[in-house]
Amino acid sequence: AQSVTQPDIHITVSEGASLELRCNYSYGATPYLFWYVQSPGQGLQLLLKYFSGDTLVQGIKGFEAEFKRSQSSFNLRKPSVHWSDAAEYFCAVAIPTRMDSSYKLIFGSGTRLLVRP
Amino acid sequence: NAGVTQTPKFRVLKTGQSMTLLCAQDMNHEYMYWYRQDPGMGLRLIHYSVGEGTTAKGEVPDGYNVSRLKKQNFLLGLESAAPSQTSVYFCASSYGLTSEYNEQFFGPGTRLTVL
Repeated sequence: AQSVTQPDIHITVSEGASLELRCNYSYGATPYLFWYVQSPGQGLQLLLKYFSGDTLVQGIKGFEAEFKRSQSSFNLRKPSVHWSDAAEYFCAVAIPTRMDSSYKLIFGSGTRLLVRP
Repeated sequence: NAGVTQTPKFRVLKTGQSMTLLCAQDMNHEYMYWYRQDPGMGLRLIHYSVGEGTTAKGEVPDGYNVSRLKKQNFLLGLESAAPSQTSVYFCASSYGLTSEYNEQFFGPGTRLTVL
């Protein structure tokens, strides 16, 4: 069955430090992968996505992610964290439905990022 | 553009009561989705729609019904609310997977408590 695993429930980093959030997926075909961010009390905002091509994708707010097929991973990174990055981060894989070009997202359980001053 | 909007933002129900959550999008998206978010479980898909008049079940459809009478609106109904349906509900919409604009856009959420 398709699934997404985010092994870290919480991560705390100091402001200015680098960040890596882990994501592993289970899916038999070529995956379409997303990272979303959710600030407290808000909806989800797309950070970046991978569909094909270059395995290192750039997103908004200085985030990047690297797709590694051999490890079934899509880890999110940022070289220098800002206090405003404190939020919950969700990795997701898109699963095509059998109708048109529609799809559904399977989400990981999320990683909450805390930023120390 | 307002994007994806949800009504209401908060609601408290008693067990057995019914209610309808409304989702509206102004981006002319074909596909719309309802998710629920529970602590430690991420978002789980309840139902989705691939166009006006069509709906399909997601991962956790039991206890919910949906309707898509107009392209821009997607309604989620709870016929007889149960405490297990206490959650935050998110609506999303998107173009298809083959479009370069294929992200799902999310609404701000509805926090529902069932007593």
